[in-house]
Amino acid sequence: QKEVEQNSGPLSVPEGAIASLNCTYSDRGSQSFFWYRQYSGKSPELIMSIYSNGDKEDGRFTAQLNKASQYVSLLIRDSQPSDSATYLCAVNKYSGGSNYKLTFGKGTLLTVNP
Amino acid sequence: GAVVSQHPSRVICKSGTSVKIECRSLDFQATTMFWYRQFPKQSLMLMATSNEGSKATYEQGVEKDKFLINHASLTLSTLTVTSAHPEDSSFYICSARRGAGAFFGQGTRLTVV
Repeated sequence: QKEVEQNSGPLSVPEGAIASLNCTYSDRGSQSFFWYRQYSGKSPELIMSIYSNGDKEDGRFTAQLNKASQYVSLLIRDSQPSDSATYLCAVNKYSGGSNYKLTFGKGTLLTVNP
Repeated sequence: GAVVSQHPSRVICKSGTSVKIECRSLDFQATTMFWYRQFPKQSLMLMATSNEGSKATYEQGVEKDKFLINHASLTLSTLTVTSAHPEDSSFYICSARRGAGAFFGQGTRLTVV
């Protein structure tokens, strides 16, 4: 089982719709979860972090975490063409000593059609 | 958000030469920085974890003698690709840990000809 799994997509939604991006992780001890957005040819940028079960909202973005199911999702409301990008799920994993490292999924390509 | 600056953004070098890439955290101190490589249409691949004042921890399959990492201060980590070859051409991205998360530099597109 991969450490962090995402559907590679592409996920295509019409402008104004809700885009739903999903991620599962294998390490039950993971505590911190992140969503990054990566435009083609650019580096990732952090858009959401979530640490507790439930929902966390920031503008048009809502992150949802369910640790029992080892599942984290990102909802984008009122999707815009500028949201078209690859969305990376990342999970903080203990890597020994006092070190943690982020483990990334392969990303889901989202296309928002005008 | 936190600012991480990576330089250069783009570099072309001849096969056999070495290239140094710098990663700076501009508004915070980063004891831990990460170096990734990303090939076209592929996911981020962690190459190594760089800890200030100590040796870097390399991921399996990454040659430590080829990819030299130095993290001499709390705001600067460098990656040197030694004796570069065309197959080293890729997008190299650094990130700096802040709290539980990490912020990325702009990336360096390396082309070896």
